[in-house]
Parts: sequence; structure tokens; C-alpha cells
Amino acid sequence: EPEVTQTPSHQVTQMGQEVILRCVPISNHLYFYWYRQILGQKVEFLVSFYNNEISEKSEIFDDQFSVERPDGSNFTLKIRSTKLEDSAMYFCASSRVRVGNQPQHFGDGTRLSIL
Amino acid sequence: KNEVEQSPQNLTAQEGEFITINCSYSVGISALHWLQQHPGGGIVSLFMLSSGKKKHGRLIATINIQEKHSSLHITASHPRDSAVYICAVPMYSGGGADGLTFGKGTHLIIQP
Repeated sequence: EPEVTQTPSHQVTQMGQEVILRCVPISNHLYFYWYRQILGQKVEFLVSFYNNEISEKSEIFDDQFSVERPDGSNFTLKIRSTKLEDSAMYFCASSRVRVGNQPQHFGDGTRLSIL
Repeated sequence: KNEVEQSPQNLTAQEGEFITINCSYSVGISALHWLQQHPGGGIVSLFMLSSGKKKHGRLIATINIQEKHSSLHITASHPRDSAVYICAVPMYSGGGADGLTFGKGTHLIIQP
């Protein structure tokens, strides 16, 4: 069965550094998402992406965050200047159509640790 | 914006017991998602349902749209069912939302 793959599985970065988290969604999916889960808390929506542009973003997704789909297969989340509070598990997900009526397929996550 | 409440937050049961996890939400939705999060952190989609009941193996999910409530049942529970079970719904009503809003999850432990 096709899977969403995320790399790296664990990223350790110094505060203030830029980090890029990578995702390869399922190939025939059109909608892409990033979520995060701070340790011990619930999963939170960050951003959705469709047709090469952001379609929706949460209040968490401020100017230090950006997403892009550089080559038609990868979907990346960039955090420009990391803060301690960015430490979390980041999940990428994809769906064939809008999530209201279709399952989302999740990657295994990238654990981001900011020192 | 939709809000999701799950109960119980923690549940420990003996192998073989029938398990029920509840979820309620605040705003009308097109579909509700039940997800399983493994101890390593990965998330797997179990069910997406918009009405009635769905069954997959020993897992059964039901939804009552009028009452804005869903339940996830596990029959003949087994230690390998130990995980966090999460309910999620579209962030806004009408099904046009792009993202999901999640419950806090139910941490289930099945003891042998």
C-alpha cells in the first residue's frame, strides 16, 4: 500500500538555525498537510497546500514557517529561525481530495529537538 | 471552529474486555476520523465515517450526527491494541475544511 514518507525521523538543531523537514506524499494525492504535536499534547493543524499554494493555515503557522513543493514529489516544511518551543513531532499527511470527505494518510513523523 | 472532546483520557483493561472510547464535537461535520497513534508516534487512519456504523476486524465505529457524538469499540481486546486512539473532525462545518482538529486522545493499555 502506498505510504507517506518523512525524513529525517529525528532532527536535532541549535536554536536560531533553519531546519527543513521533508515529506513525500502519496503520488496521486492532491492535498498536503503539516501538523505538529508537542510532547504530551494533542495534534495541531499547521497548514494545508493545494495546487502549489497554501489553501489554509493556522495561527501557529507564522512568518517563520514556509512550505513548498519544489519538484512535484517532495513537500517541505521550513522553519527559518527555530525556537525552543518549536520542539515537537511534525507530521505530514496527504489526501486525494479535501479532508472533509476522504481519509488522510499520515507519515511516521519527524521528531524535531531544538537545543 | 470545531472543538473535540474525548473520554476517557486513560483506560487500562484486561485482555478480552470490550472497550469503548467516546468522542463529541461542537459543530456539524461531513465526516469524523478515528486514528491510532503507536508508541513510536506514527499515526494510522482507522476509520472515516459520516453516518451509522463501520466495522473493521475487532474495531467498530459508530456516529450519531444529530447528537454530534461518535464511539469507537474494540471487541476481545488484546495487548497489541495498546495505543493512543484519537478522534478528529474537519476544523469547520460544511466539509469544506482543509485541516483536521484533533481530540487529546485516549491512552489505552490492555494488560495480558
